[in-house]
Amino acid sequence: NAGVMQNPRHLVRRRGQEARLRCSPMKGHSHVYWYRQLPEEGLKFMVYLQKENIIDESGMPKERFSAEFPKEGPSILRIQQVVRGDSAAYFCASSPRVALASPYEQYFGPGTRLTVT
Amino acid sequence: QKEVEQNSGPLSVPEGAIASLNCTYSDRGSQSFFWYRQYSGKSPELIMFIYSNGDKEDGRFTAQLNKASQYVSLLIRDSQPSDSATYLCAVTGTGTASKLTFGTGTRLQVTL
Repeated sequence: NAGVMQNPRHLVRRRGQEARLRCSPMKGHSHVYWYRQLPEEGLKFMVYLQKENIIDESGMPKERFSAEFPKEGPSILRIQQVVRGDSAAYFCASSPRVALASPYEQYFGPGTRLTVT
Repeated sequence: QKEVEQNSGPLSVPEGAIASLNCTYSDRGSQSFFWYRQYSGKSPELIMFIYSNGDKEDGRFTAQLNKASQYVSLLIRDSQPSDSATYLCAVTGTGTASKLTFGTGTRLQVTL
């Protein structure tokens, strides 16, 4: 039973380039979340998506960042014109359901470590 | 005030002892509470979740929740060196069961 998959695991980009991070949720999961972990800081929520829908993007920077989860294929977090401050670990998590009154669990992928030079 | 607060540690306990990790949160409407373990350079691993006041036990781990005090804790019995890691407390906010807000984590060191 494969877990959450992310690729690439490590990504190096020069300032001004684009970074594309991919996430495939666990089998049977249809909810995807992206989090960012800056060095020596906690995990910060970025965006929550279901297939073909962005549900909550309250944690996404207003510029240069976008996310999608198409009907077919992985979820993609895209960072345009990267800057050094974008260097971080980006984690994807997935869950099987969301219910307001019930607990749910989010399972994390191995992460993509982005380094901007 | 941070939304989720944890003592950064390190918390040092001898092998075989009980490790007690604490977390407070500011949003009274928080519904679900989670403990994740994160080894250095790795991704968070879910250990436990709890959503009702009281205790919940799973093997060597016990989660405790007190909503009136806005406090959640994790006890690790018979601590092992392999338990040495950073423990992250996460909560969901009011009106949503999706977005997790994390504390900055407590680093636990289990000594021989």
